[in-house]
Amino acid sequence: AQKITQTQPGMFVQEKEAVTLDCTYDTSDPSYGLFWYKQPSSGEMIFLIYQGSYDQQNATEGRYSLNFQKARKSANLVISASQLGDSAMYFCAMRVTSSGNTGKLIFGQGTTLQVKP
Amino acid sequence: GAGVSQSPSNKVTEKGKDVELRCDPISGHTALYWYRQSLGQGLEFLIYFQGNSAPDKSGLPSDRFSAERTGGSVSTLTIQRTQQEDSAVYLCASSLTRGTAQETQYFGPGTRLLVL
Repeated sequence: AQKITQTQPGMFVQEKEAVTLDCTYDTSDPSYGLFWYKQPSSGEMIFLIYQGSYDQQNATEGRYSLNFQKARKSANLVISASQLGDSAMYFCAMRVTSSGNTGKLIFGQGTTLQVKP
Repeated sequence: GAGVSQSPSNKVTEKGKDVELRCDPISGHTALYWYRQSLGQGLEFLIYFQGNSAPDKSGLPSDRFSAERTGGSVSTLTIQRTQQEDSAVYLCASSLTRGTAQETQYFGPGTRLLVL
């Protein structure tokens, strides 16, 4: 069965510090993609970063980086230099692309991040 | 360019009424997905469209739920005889194709449905 687990319901971080949001996944498919989305209080899901199962290097997008440890099946999101605007719910998601799969996303339960001034 | 749009942004209805939720994907995106976000269940996949056909309807919770897509563009999710447990945020997403793992799905702002 394919599953995403986010074990941190809520996290606090001081402004300008770095924070790591945990994500572990389970799939037997060798080809998959891992995504992180941000959902502020407005409700819209904002794409942050993507990591492919065959990618050799960890993905980075500005202040976001993904700590991908394939053997441990983890894909943690690291946010550097936190800003007040980073306060939001963060979702880890997986997409499996084996034959016949429709590419739907499987989401974790989310982590609420609060940045303190 | 324009992102995914959804309407209405909020909908309050009475139990037993039918509702229609609309999604306008990003122009040129052939794949369209509906998800539901509720407090108890998190984010759940409902249905996937490739063009106008729906090869995966496995997430629709009951036969009260249906969806269609016309012209490879706009999609409508219909909930008949709404129940209180249908209250949730309904999110639509689109992607260029569905073919590879790299295909990012871009989400709309969602429709918040409240069934009284």
